[in-house]
Amino acid sequence: DAGVIQSPRHEVTEMGQEVTLRCKPISGHDYLFWYRQTMMRGLELLIYFNNNVPIDDSGMPEDRFSAKMPNASFSTLKIQPSEPRDSAVYFCASSGTEGAPVTAFFGQGTRLTVV
Amino acid sequence: AQSVTQLDSQVPVFEEAPVELRCNYSSSVSVYLFWYVQYPNQGLQLLLKYLSGSTLVKGINGFEAEFNKSQTSFHLRKPSVHISDTAEYFCAVSVTGFQKLVFGTGTRLLVSP
Repeated sequence: DAGVIQSPRHEVTEMGQEVTLRCKPISGHDYLFWYRQTMMRGLELLIYFNNNVPIDDSGMPEDRFSAKMPNASFSTLKIQPSEPRDSAVYFCASSGTEGAPVTAFFGQGTRLTVV
Repeated sequence: AQSVTQLDSQVPVFEEAPVELRCNYSSSVSVYLFWYVQYPNQGLQLLLKYLSGSTLVKGINGFEAEFNKSQTSFHLRKPSVHISDTAEYFCAVSVTGFQKLVFGTGTRLLVSP
């Protein structure tokens, strides 16, 4: 398996623009997580899904952030409109309930810069 | 709610010296414990995990950790570090039966010649 795949790896956008980050989880995993990493706040869980259903979105900072998982192999995190304080590295991770329970596998991350 | 404390933000050490990275957690219920490593510009990679059983857990790259329930600790150790171990190390906790991970703030290990 290729692991968790995120795209793009880097994104530079202007304030006010819409940004969409993409994630393909490991095949067979039924949990998907979106994390944000900043120097100030470390690693924060934004939202996670189980079987494509959002379970806990309490970490989503505000209404400008939204996440979807239309099927088991794809998820998006959207920021609209983007602001400079959204600049961070966004990680997607997935895990399964069989074989290696509770072990989250992380993607390479998307480094977002909002100017 | 669960929380993780990594007391040391940075640990400098010379090559071939032993190292211990400290992690303490807080939880009123049973937990799973993890250590992840993040190399520069990379995602997080699992080093080791404690789910149950033996309290001494061995992981990749010669690392090990010991679960101490009475002290609510899960310190990471390596008897002899290499330059290539320079990275950020994150301790994480998950309540048993739940998939959600809570991470500590990370410890940057700096190995110099």
